[in-house]
Amino acid sequence: DIQMTQSPSSLSASVGDRVTITCRASQSISIYLNWYQQKPGKAPKLLIYGASRLQSGVPSRFSGSLSATDFTLTIGSLQPEDFAIYYCQHSYTTPFTFGGGTKVEI
Amino acid sequence: EVQLVQSGAEVKKPGESLKISCQGSGYNFTNYWIGWVRQVPGKGLEWMGIIYPGDSDTRYSPSFQGQITISVDKSITTAYLRWSSLQASDTAMYFCARQGKENWSDPWGQGTLVTVSS
Repeated sequence: DIQMTQSPSSLSASVGDRVTITCRASQSISIYLNWYQQKPGKAPKLLIYGASRLQSGVPSRFSGSLSATDFTLTIGSLQPEDFAIYYCQHSYTTPFTFGGGTKVEI
Repeated sequence: EVQLVQSGAEVKKPGESLKISCQGSGYNFTNYWIGWVRQVPGKGLEWMGIIYPGDSDTRYSPSFQGQITISVDKSITTAYLRWSSLQASDTAMYFCARQGKENWSDPWGQGTLVTVSS
């Protein structure tokens, strides 16, 4: 199985900050990497698919990129509604494993 | 609007069987894989498996293979997740989600909380 290592596991930030979360796969997954946001008591929400494609309706302050073997989710200017847990997931081959999550706190 | 609606919360005893459901609407149900994800309280997301309603092709995570059964009834656009003998460790929230072209998950159902306790 492909393992997804996400870092950091948590971070503290302020409104307006630029936030970066990283995800690394244990083997090549091409660009088959997705990012989700989950708020307490809610289902996850797709933010980014295919490493860098913004899901319809998601604010443009969210972006995804790939550099060498590291996938990155960037929140350009953190807003109050962005405090949540973020997960990466590969969809290269089954099982489509998730990273451990990053909790973004105030 | 594409929507997945899951069945309600369940409370079961160890050893009991259970089948929870996920009904899709607003799209051609037979053309998209449906996946299941587990979330133990306070923990992360775990991918369980997927099914293609068109032909019932099913793929399981090795972590869940043999412990669960994923099925579908395309006549009522509903996917199922079944346990034949629940354990306390199955206590979790279970989500279904439609799989996109490259297997991203969107949208998601609202989740079904399963509690297994004697």
